Amino acid sequence: AQSVTQLGSHVSVSEGALVLLRCNYSSSVPPYLFWYVQYPNQGLQLLLKYTSAATLVKGINGFEAEFKKSETSFHLTKPSAHMSDAAEYFCAVSLPWGTYKYIFGTGTRLKVLA
Amino acid sequence: NAGVTQTPKFRVLKTGQSMTLLCAQDMNHEYMYWYRQDPGMGLRLIHYSVGEGTTAKGEVPDGYNVSRLKKQNFLLGLESAAPSQTSVYFCASSYPPGQGISNYGYTFGSGTRLTVV
Repeated sequence: AQSVTQLGSHVSVSEGALVLLRCNYSSSVPPYLFWYVQYPNQGLQLLLKYTSAATLVKGINGFEAEFKKSETSFHLTKPSAHMSDAAEYFCAVSLPWGTYKYIFGTGTRLKVLA
Repeated sequence: NAGVTQTPKFRVLKTGQSMTLLCAQDMNHEYMYWYRQDPGMGLRLIHYSVGEGTTAKGEVPDGYNVSRLKKQNFLLGLESAAPSQTSVYFCASSYPPGQGISNYGYTFGSGTRLTVV
């Protein structure tokens, strides 16, 4: 069975600083991996995804993530944080076949300090 | 706008009451999912459907039932609500990645906030 671990339920960064949100996965086969963002009182929006093509994936709003099989990681980064990046971020994993059910991590709330 | 629409957006129920949450999508997606979101627990899958007339249990199905009589609609029912079902419920839909990996990914509704007192 797959699982996802997000290290750090709360992360604070200064505006303009590097954003690093950590995600480690467990899967018996190379999975599909996703990062979603949730702004207050809204649904989830897809930031980026890994579907077994390029290991470095670029997404919306300047975010990117790198699939590292040897480390079973898919960390989300952004070179320079904006105030508008404050939100909750979820990593998710699914098998690349079948019902494509997503297993979500517990989320990381990002706070951006002025 | 195309997407996933959930109704109602808010609801307060008394313990033991029943209700149905409606999810409607206009993207012709085959797959639909119901999740619940609770603080510190992320999103957990309740039930899902891989096509009209099909449903299956997810991670936390107890106390819920679903139906997918039409491809565009996925209903989540609570027969006898309990305080433990106080949560935010999200519906999502997608097509299989084989239909186009570049745009593949769940589309989420905006959620239903349910309080059971």
